Amino acid sequence: DTAVSQTPKYLVTQMGNDKSIKCEQNLGHDTMYWYKQDSKKFLKIMFSYNNKELIINETVPNRFSPKSPDKAHLNLHINSLELGDSAVYFCASSLPGAPTSFGEGSRLTVL
Amino acid sequence: RKEVEQDPGPFNVPEGATVAFNCTYSNSASQSFFWYRQDCRKEPKLLMSVYSSGNEDGRFTAQLNRASQYISLLIRDSKLSDSATYLCVVTSRESSYKLIFGSGTRLLVRP
Repeated sequence: DTAVSQTPKYLVTQMGNDKSIKCEQNLGHDTMYWYKQDSKKFLKIMFSYNNKELIINETVPNRFSPKSPDKAHLNLHINSLELGDSAVYFCASSLPGAPTSFGEGSRLTVL
Repeated sequence: RKEVEQDPGPFNVPEGATVAFNCTYSNSASQSFFWYRQDCRKEPKLLMSVYSSGNEDGRFTAQLNRASQYISLLIRDSKLSDSATYLCVVTSRESSYKLIFGSGTRLLVRP
């Protein structure tokens, strides 16, 4: 019973393609996030949604578009993939003031 | 200057050793503090929250020094299974939802 689940776990694609990563949490949390961990292992927030509303939008290229159909789901769509987009993308969720739970990560490789 | 700074290590210690990590943060208005653990190719997992009065969880002790803006983690009686990357995390002044990660300190515990 994975609390935060994201798919796919691995994604290999060509530059210029469009891809999506899906995330679902069954913890009843109101807030969901996307984080990016690059090759230097630095983990940085990209987006956060609270009850389907965008509350954090870091300086991320607009090729990245999050979508939250309901508070248990937060998907990430990436257009026109670039080499620099290669990273591990972590979905996460939390309640206010409570620790954040992370998904297992989606490893994206752009060739 | 990075918002959260850590010595990347690696710290290479024998089993049973005591090891300490420090972390400094730049924003004096940061509100919440955590240590996360990340195993190789896995997601970050909460190790412990850090409280102003200091707190202990088994072999792990966390301390917060707001005046000097640093956080520490002490691990006593190191186990092989403690080998991982330890991430110092603070929340931003603007939003308690936004976790700001240090780049991590790598610990290797040898037999």
